[in-house]
Amino acid sequence: DSGVTQTPKHLITATGQRVTLRCSPRSGDLSVYWYQQSLDQGLQFLIQYYNGEERAKGNILERFSAQQFPDLHSELNLSSLELGDSALYFCASSDGTGGDTEAFFGQGTRLTVV
Amino acid sequence: AQSVTQLDSHVSVSEGTPVLLRCNYSSSYSPSLFWYVQHPNKGLQLLLKYTSAATLVKGINGFEAEFKKSETSFHLTKPSAHMSDAAEYFCVVIRPRSNDYKLSFGAGTTVTVRA
Repeated sequence: DSGVTQTPKHLITATGQRVTLRCSPRSGDLSVYWYQQSLDQGLQFLIQYYNGEERAKGNILERFSAQQFPDLHSELNLSSLELGDSALYFCASSDGTGGDTEAFFGQGTRLTVV
Repeated sequence: AQSVTQLDSHVSVSEGTPVLLRCNYSSSYSPSLFWYVQHPNKGLQLLLKYTSAATLVKGINGFEAEFKKSETSFHLTKPSAHMSDAAEYFCVVIRPRSNDYKLSFGAGTTVTVRA
């Protein structure tokens, strides 16, 4: 158990809809990262938050947004969903002190858009 | 910029035989390198990491990797494969001591272990 909790584990929704994925980081970790894993794109970095503020942005679509709350949990919002958004979305956390530290991954939320 | 190339998309070995997963990286700085494993329907687990200390790194479950700067490689090995090693393995590069954690993942290598 990595200590990172993601909910829900599975989500099935229709095109055009909006969903929210939730992540609770390990106790004490200030950084939260979101990744998308799909068959054609592999693992892609989406966005990072550190102590409530956006720290880095990757290949995140404008239809997607995220935030980190004062209690350090994070939510990834996906709107106007398309079939191609079907993927496994991972959240990871670290203590945020830099690239040498390990990131701990949750078990992911599998999103299926139908 | 940084990138990772995993040279094999699929490796099949017999139980008890050595495993070799190849990874080459490209980086404009001295990188930190990681190997992660993903078992079916599970999250990613860190196997080992290189962060500019010893070039031969030992990880969990009997895995080790050697950082070779001259070859820009970070191959993962295990002397004797076990059935539980069947999983997908990712080589990852990151800029050390950076304020972000934009892990650059390789495409992954799927390992199959035959009884």
